[in-house]
This record gives sequence, structure tokens and C-alpha cells, in this order.
Amino acid sequence: KNQVEQSPQSLIILEGKNCTLQCNYTVSPFSNLRWYKQDTGRGPVSLTIMTFSENTKSNGRYTATLDADTKQSSLHITASQLSDSASYICVVSGASYIPTFGRGTSLIVHP
Amino acid sequence: AAGVIQSPRHLIKEKRETATLKCYPIPRHDTVYWYQQGPGQDPQFLISFYEKMQSDKGSIPDRFSAQQFSDYHSELNMSSLELGDSALYFCASSSIGTALDSGANVLTFGAGSRLTVL
Repeated sequence: KNQVEQSPQSLIILEGKNCTLQCNYTVSPFSNLRWYKQDTGRGPVSLTIMTFSENTKSNGRYTATLDADTKQSSLHITASQLSDSASYICVVSGASYIPTFGRGTSLIVHP
Repeated sequence: AAGVIQSPRHLIKEKRETATLKCYPIPRHDTVYWYQQGPGQDPQFLISFYEKMQSDKGSIPDRFSAQQFSDYHSELNMSSLELGDSALYFCASSSIGTALDSGANVLTFGAGSRLTVL
């Protein structure tokens, strides 16, 4: 069964600190992996998309890594800002690009 | 544990017909999101509701409408169906909660409803 597990479930950090979110998956075959940021009650915004051959991809203060061998991905947020408070969802697409969704990590950044 | 229930799981319609998809969120979840995924495409956000009010709108066609009811379940209504509406429609729910609630804003997705328009 295809699964995407994210950790931690929730995270509280102080403004300016760095943090790393984890995503482990068992989706096979693998097509791509996306990280989304979703503000409460709003639609998701794509941060990064990575295919099998990509190890690292950055988008501003967001850096995603992918280890296709261990089926793990991480999203590193540098110098966090209050506006980073949101849910971060890992979505892994498998055969025919059918997605398997993680439950997300809820990040709260405190001043 | 209860999950997000979507119905029907599969639906076949003719062009120009209407279709209604239903989403029953996890109990005590107050926010519902709808996504559409066409063949070979990434999921696209359609619309979201918080406490029965629309909270955000994505790439939802004018032919589609949605609402969240008093029991927090949501329905996506699609009219004048087109071949291009054939897709998987996912629903997700979450609870806004508070900063002290470790379960707040954690999304749970349903298994999806597959709509085929002939």
C-alpha cells in the first residue's frame, strides 16, 4: 500500500530559527515528489517538485532534498518568518501520477 | 479511526449532465478542501471552506459550485459536464484549532472520487 508519512505532526519554533520537516514514502513506482505550503483555510502553494534524478531543489528560503534509495525527503526552512506558519504537505506521485498525500506538518512560528 | 469519506468512489456521466460529489470530513474538523487531478497531472486546488463559509478559491470552473453544510460535510456540484472534467476529485479536511492543539491544521485526505465523462 502506498503511504506517505510526515514528521513531526506539528512544530513550534521561534522566528529566525531554522527547521527541517521530514517525509518518508513507500510509493512505488515513483514519479515525483512535491512539497506544498498551505495556509490555514487556503489553497496549497507548490514549493518544490522533484523527480527521481534530483537530490536537492531550492526555492528561496526553502530547500528540499530527496533520497530515492531510502525513499525519504526533507524540507528545510531557513531563517523562519512569521508568515511561514502553515501546513506543509508532502505529496508523492506514483504510477500514472496518482498522488498519495501526507497528512502534513503544522508549523507555527512565534515572534 | 474515522477517515475522510468521499462518495461516490466512481461515477460515469455523459457530456452536459450534472454530477454531485460528497465529502464527509473527520468528526470535529471544520475545514474542507477540494482538489481535482486530471490524467497525468498534478492535483489542482479547487476550493476550500471553513465553518461553512468559502475560505479560498482556486481553479474551479464557473460550472462548478460547492458548499459546506451545517454538519460540515461538503458537496461539489458540477454542471454541463465536459470531457475534460474526467478526473480524480480529492477532498481533505482539517481542524483550525489553536496553537496549543497538536492536531491543528493536520490534513487528512479522502480516497478520492473518480469521475468519467463520456
